[in-house]
Amino acid sequence: DTEVTQTPKHLVMGMTNKKSLKCEQHMGHRAMYWYKQKAKKPPELMFVYSYEKLSINESVPSRFSPECPNSSLLNLHLHALQPEDSALYLCASSLNTEQISYNSPLHFGNGTRLTVT
Amino acid sequence: EDQVTQSPEALRLQEGESSSLNCSYTVSGLRGLFWYRQDPGKGPEFLFTLYSAGEEKEKERLKATLTKKESFLHITAPKPEDSATYLCAVQASLTSYDKVIFGPGTSLSVIP
Repeated sequence: DTEVTQTPKHLVMGMTNKKSLKCEQHMGHRAMYWYKQKAKKPPELMFVYSYEKLSINESVPSRFSPECPNSSLLNLHLHALQPEDSALYLCASSLNTEQISYNSPLHFGNGTRLTVT
Repeated sequence: EDQVTQSPEALRLQEGESSSLNCSYTVSGLRGLFWYRQDPGKGPEFLFTLYSAGEEKEKERLKATLTKKESFLHITAPKPEDSATYLCAVQASLTSYDKVIFGPGTSLSVIP
């Protein structure tokens, strides 16, 4: 079982809906990430939070809005999505961003499978 | 631009038939190279981190090696349960601490 928990596991939403994806970790990690993965493609970085502050936004459309309420929680708010946004959304965490290589690799959750109709 | 490529795209092996997967990278200052395993519908599972050329890591039937331009994941006497997509990823020092860039993956099927 993964130590990064994502809910829901599956989500179907219309283009006018507003929904949120949730991610939780209790490993004391201070860096959290959102990745998007399309079928048969590698994960693509969307956002990075370091010590609860947004440190990287990979030019993601504003219909995706991340939030980090505390060091254990990460949300991704969705609004007015397009069918091409359908994908597996992965949350990951690491001890911090400076020591990914040395002490703490990325730990991934099992993702939320999002379908936009 | 930092780039990670993997070959082959897909690989079918008979149970017990050893082989290697390749990961080639072009980055400005490698901080770390990672191997992950991903099963269908699940998140990537961490396998190894390699830091410098010449380094090797082993876990069960898997052995990862690193040179200045590429990494190999050697699979010895694979079993059907080794079937998965294997992802290589790098973290480069001159782009950003925060970014880990993934390669496209190799889909491995081990036939009983």
